[in-house]
Amino acid sequence: GESVGLHLPTLSVQEGDNSIINCAYSNSASDYFIWYKQESGKGPQFIIDIRSNMDKRQGQRVTVLLNKTVKHLSLQIAATQPGDSAVYFCAARGAGSYQLTFGKGTKLSVIP
Amino acid sequence: DGGITQSPKYLFRKEGQNVTLSCEQNLNHDAMYWYRQDPGQGLRLIYYSQIVNDFQKGDIAEGYSVSREKKESFPLTVTSAQKNPTAFYLCASGGGETQYFGPGTRLLVL
Repeated sequence: GESVGLHLPTLSVQEGDNSIINCAYSNSASDYFIWYKQESGKGPQFIIDIRSNMDKRQGQRVTVLLNKTVKHLSLQIAATQPGDSAVYFCAARGAGSYQLTFGKGTKLSVIP
Repeated sequence: DGGITQSPKYLFRKEGQNVTLSCEQNLNHDAMYWYRQDPGQGLRLIYYSQIVNDFQKGDIAEGYSVSREKKESFPLTVTSAQKNPTAFYLCASGGGETQYFGPGTRLLVL
């Protein structure tokens, strides 16, 4: 089955710097990926998604990069703000499946 | 005001008691999901439903039950057979590939 993992459980960045959060997946047939942000005590919030036929997708201050060769995706947050402090996790969907497999999350702390 | 609502926010269960967690959505999504979140772990799928009157077991369905009598509602019952029910329970819905989550219910055992 699919497994999804994040490289670092915690990440601290200075306010204003860029943040990069990484994720690896195991199933080369995965065709859809999502990044979520979860603040303490709240439900996950959709940030951005990408399909396997794309390498890069940009949103407001966020960019997701997908490298299918090494089965790796990353979330880049530009000009990180204190409000970005949260747990971020990725999820992957196997082709033809309704189910998502979730990583364990990286806790991002922004230093003022 | 569209979205997914879960109630209650906190729920206390006594030994041997069944409790039901509510999940409602007004997004007109066909699919609904229940996940369990434990500290330091990823979300684990309990049950999911792709259409009214149909649902499937996820990875950790033992000790849980669901129903899907209406498109808008997907309640989860934590039965007395679930020996370690303390967790944060998240409901999600989706009309396509993306899943959107509710605010969650934290279940604690007295």
